[in-house]
Formats: sequence, C-alpha cells, structure tokens
Amino acid sequence: DAGVIQSPRHEVTEMGQEVTLRCKPISGHDYLFWYRQTMMRGLELLIYFNNNVPIDDSGMPEDRFSAKMPNASFSTLKIQPSEPRDSAVYFCASSLGTGIGLNEQFFGPGTRLTVL
Amino acid sequence: DAKTTQPTSMDCAEGRAANLPCNHSTISGNEYVYWYRQIHSQGPQYIIHGLKNNETNEMASLIITEDRKSSTLILPHATLRDTAVYYCIVRVGTAGNKLTFGGGTRVLVKP
Repeated sequence: DAGVIQSPRHEVTEMGQEVTLRCKPISGHDYLFWYRQTMMRGLELLIYFNNNVPIDDSGMPEDRFSAKMPNASFSTLKIQPSEPRDSAVYFCASSLGTGIGLNEQFFGPGTRLTVL
Repeated sequence: DAKTTQPTSMDCAEGRAANLPCNHSTISGNEYVYWYRQIHSQGPQYIIHGLKNNETNEMASLIITEDRKSSTLILPHATLRDTAVYYCIVRVGTAGNKLTFGGGTRVLVKP
C-alpha cells in the first residue's frame, strides 16, 4: 500500500493567490482528516470527512479555506486568497472506522506551504 | 477530550529504555490513551493505545495506572531513529474522533 499521498510536497506562492492542496487516502478508508501544523499553534485539525461527507469543519480558520471530497479516493483543501499567516505544513490523514478502540489515523508526508 | 500533560523534552541513551510519562487526571471512563510520534519532517505515526490494561506491541509498551490518571510509554531499547516528538492523546475511542495534539515530548536519543 502506498499510504496517504499528498501533493504537492512543497508550494511557494504569493499573497492573494489561490492554493490547492491534494490528498489521496488509503484505499478502503472511510475517514479523511486535514490538519495544519505551525510552530505557534502545533498540530490542529481543520476538517474531517466520513464517507466523503464533511462531518466537522469547526477547525477551518475562516471562509478563505474550503475542503471537498468528491469521491472516496480524492480530497482537496483550497485557500483563496492565500495570506502569509497561512504558511504551515498541511497534513492529510485517513483511517478505517473499525468501531471502538484503535481507529488508527495514517498520515501523509504533508505539504509545506509558504505564502510570500 | 481530556487534557494531557507531558514533559517538554527528555534525553535518552541509545540502547537504554526510554520512559515517557503522561498525566491525564481528568480522563473519562470511555476515553482511551493513544500515543503517536512525529519524526522530523514526517507526518505523525501511531505507536500504541490502551484503555485500562497495559499493552505491548512491536514498537513499545504502554503502562496505565490503576486509576487511569497517568500513563507511561516505554521504548524498550531506544535507537537513534526513535528521536522524535511523542504525543500522548486522550480521546473517546469511537471511529472518526479527531486527534487533539498537545505540545508533546521532544525525545533526543544520544549515542
């Protein structure tokens, strides 16, 4: 299994530009999570999906952020317009809902976003 | 989710056991203890989890006190590749529950 795949691995853009981050979860997993990591705030959950449906988007910082999951094998996180404070590493994770207990989340390698 | 408290950092000698403490005094009866680690420039990685019994797998052991208010992650024979930030997370074990990461413990394994 290739694991969770994220693209691009690195993105440098200028303030005001639209940024789209992509994620392919592990095949068969029914949960997908988007996290953001910064030095100041650490790792924080932005949004998560179950069976392609957004369940909790309370962590999305503002309307400039949007996430979609058009099918079970693909999700995007879009920032429009981007701002320097959006610079961070964005992680995608997926898990298989197996009931009570493990529900291990598998993380991708992350996308390092720099907004100039 | 219950709040956890971990030391900010600790050093460990290569080949020795590393004992990482975590306090979670407000843990609820249906909350599990999970440990993840993050090696530099990588995504977090699951290590182990438990409810009230001690657990062991190929990576580590988890010791949970009888009152469940604290736990210890044990890396039996630390290697240089175990240098990472280790996160203790307490949450309900149902599927889809988010992971709330605190500051973690930065572990440096020294030769």
